[in-house]
Amino acid sequence: GQSLEQPSEVTAVEGAIVQINCTYQTSGFYGLSWYQQHDGGAPTFLSYNALDGLEETGRFSSFLSRSDSYGYLLLQELQMKDSASYFCAVRDDTNAGKSTFGDGTTLTVKP
Amino acid sequence: DTGVSQDPRHKITKRGQNVTFRCDPISEHNRLYWYRQTLGQGPEFLTYFQNEAQLEKSRLLSDRFSAERPKGSFSTLEIQRTEQGDSAMYLCASSGTGYTGELFFGEGSRLTVL
Repeated sequence: GQSLEQPSEVTAVEGAIVQINCTYQTSGFYGLSWYQQHDGGAPTFLSYNALDGLEETGRFSSFLSRSDSYGYLLLQELQMKDSASYFCAVRDDTNAGKSTFGDGTTLTVKP
Repeated sequence: DTGVSQDPRHKITKRGQNVTFRCDPISEHNRLYWYRQTLGQGPEFLTYFQNEAQLEKSRLLSDRFSAERPKGSFSTLEIQRTEQGDSAMYLCASSGTGYTGELFFGEGSRLTVL
């Protein structure tokens, strides 16, 4: 079956760096995406890794190791507005947008 | 175009009633997806359209659920004979042909079945 594992909760202070890990077991793998979702809001795309390595977008970076079935999202210079849920999602099908999502990590940023 | 829009945002219904949700994707996107999300969980894939063709439907989706995308523009998701277990957020997403790993989600339609 398909499964993704990520920590349920993470807490950090403003200005710090936090890493959210994601391990996956899926029947197929075409890429790993990360989404942010604030309470009551829509999931919004953060990053996508199809190949091994690090992708950097401003304060956010995402890493993928396909051999380890592992990825992480790195958030730097944390701000209060980064408090949200973060989901990793595996594109596990040739159907481009069909993804299996993890259950999310709730990040709380404290002053 | 400001993004994916969904209507209604909230729906409360009694068990056994039928409900219909509408999704208007980003106009240039030919791919449209329906996902369902319950509290504390990630979105769960329901079905997918490319233009007007429904190309895939989750095995988890019972025959009480039906989706359409006439003319390849907006889409509707209908749930017949609702059950309390159908209570969830129904999310619509769209993407273009050149996939970059990004799905554009709408704000969702929250269904509460009493």
